[in-house]
Amino acid sequence: KQEVTQIPAALSVPEGENLVLNCSFTDSAIYNLQWFRQDPGKGLTSLLLIQSSQREQTSGRLNASLDKSSGRSTLYIAASQPGDSATYLCAASGGGSQGNLIFGKGTKLSVKP
Amino acid sequence: GAGVSQSPSNKVTEKGKDVELRCDPISGHTALYWYRQSLGQGLEFLIYFQGNSAPDKSGLPSDRFSAERTGGSVSTLTIQRTQQEDSAVYLCASISQLTSGGVRTQYFGPGTRLTVL
Repeated sequence: KQEVTQIPAALSVPEGENLVLNCSFTDSAIYNLQWFRQDPGKGLTSLLLIQSSQREQTSGRLNASLDKSSGRSTLYIAASQPGDSATYLCAASGGGSQGNLIFGKGTKLSVKP
Repeated sequence: GAGVSQSPSNKVTEKGKDVELRCDPISGHTALYWYRQSLGQGLEFLIYFQGNSAPDKSGLPSDRFSAERTGGSVSTLTIQRTQQEDSAVYLCASISQLTSGGVRTQYFGPGTRLTVL
């Protein structure tokens, strides 16, 4: 059974810092891995999706990497801003015809001005 | 175009009552998922609809939970005889394609916050 773990559970950094959020998964037979952002009272926003054949994806100040062999993914945020404050969720897709996501519990990020 | 919408945004009910939660997916999306996010927990998969196929109900926590998707579009999640442990945010997501070579980005609605007193 796939389990997804995110470390740390919470992180507070001053504005401008670069930071890394970690995600690990127990079953390397994933189809893809996604990073989402969740703001209070709102749904999830997809940030980056890495397919199993890829090693990383970049979007603006965000870079996500995937190492299937070690069961790890990282989300790198460069030059953090107060607007980046949110909960970041990592989710692994199990593949097949179902495609449901297995989520970690998230990392709550606070970027202080 | 419009994203995934859910209603109501908040629902407060008494223990033992039935509730219905609604999800309007993005037009044309063939797959729809329901998830539950309990306080301090990650998102938990509940049920999955794909086209006209039989739904995957493997994530439903008990037989008090059921869901249907009418006409391949709108979906309702029904919880009968609600219990306090049912209190959570219920999220719906839709996806445009589900093939072995396709990208499976799921688009989430804002969720319904259910509180059972």
